[in-house]
Amino acid sequence: KNQVEQSPQSLIILEGKNCTLQCNYTVSPFSNLRWYKQDTGRGPVSLTIMTFSENTKSNGRYTATLDADTKQSSLHITASQLSDSASYICVVTSYGNNRLAFGKGNQVVVIP
Amino acid sequence: DGGITQSPKYLFRKEGQNVTLSCEQNLNHDAMYWYRQDPGQGLRLIYYSQIVNDFQKGDIAEGYSVSREKKESFPLTVTSAQKNPTAFYLCASTPDRGTEAFFGQGTRLTVV
Repeated sequence: KNQVEQSPQSLIILEGKNCTLQCNYTVSPFSNLRWYKQDTGRGPVSLTIMTFSENTKSNGRYTATLDADTKQSSLHITASQLSDSASYICVVTSYGNNRLAFGKGNQVVVIP
Repeated sequence: DGGITQSPKYLFRKEGQNVTLSCEQNLNHDAMYWYRQDPGQGLRLIYYSQIVNDFQKGDIAEGYSVSREKKESFPLTVTSAQKNPTAFYLCASTPDRGTEAFFGQGTRLTVV
């Protein structure tokens, strides 16, 4: 079973609307959680990084939340733009080693 | 500018041939990784290296080989033993344990 589960697998939203992506993980012990944006055919680019003590972090129109007790994170996109169309990948690092656990990604399509 | 560079962007290979994908970084990072990405799946770890002249198998190492003779370089060879080599390959590096991974732009390998 994958240690990082993301939902929904894909979604289509209208330009200007908001959306929220979910990430549930079982990685333990926990070190940090990152959200990456991956455009088609490109490498992932980091959006946010959150450690155990942080529960909200923003990067422009992207806001990530983390509940380390329930092992859940969300990424909220505000006032979506066409350029937000991409795959959003949740990555969790376990404490004590250098291994990264990847979710399968949330595929977001923004339409005009 | 510092970064991580993969080449070539697109690669075609005949079945039964070995091929080497290049990954170079000038970020002075100790750890480097190779991932494979297939449609609808998360990134899967092929090999990783935490220091020069040392590397470890990831989850799907069969049919692949690597070397780490220099800190800056971590080439991946896809051998003829890899049964299904057509995929998008991503190289990444991290400066330290549990910190942000920086990704290259990827190499799309197609076996014809």
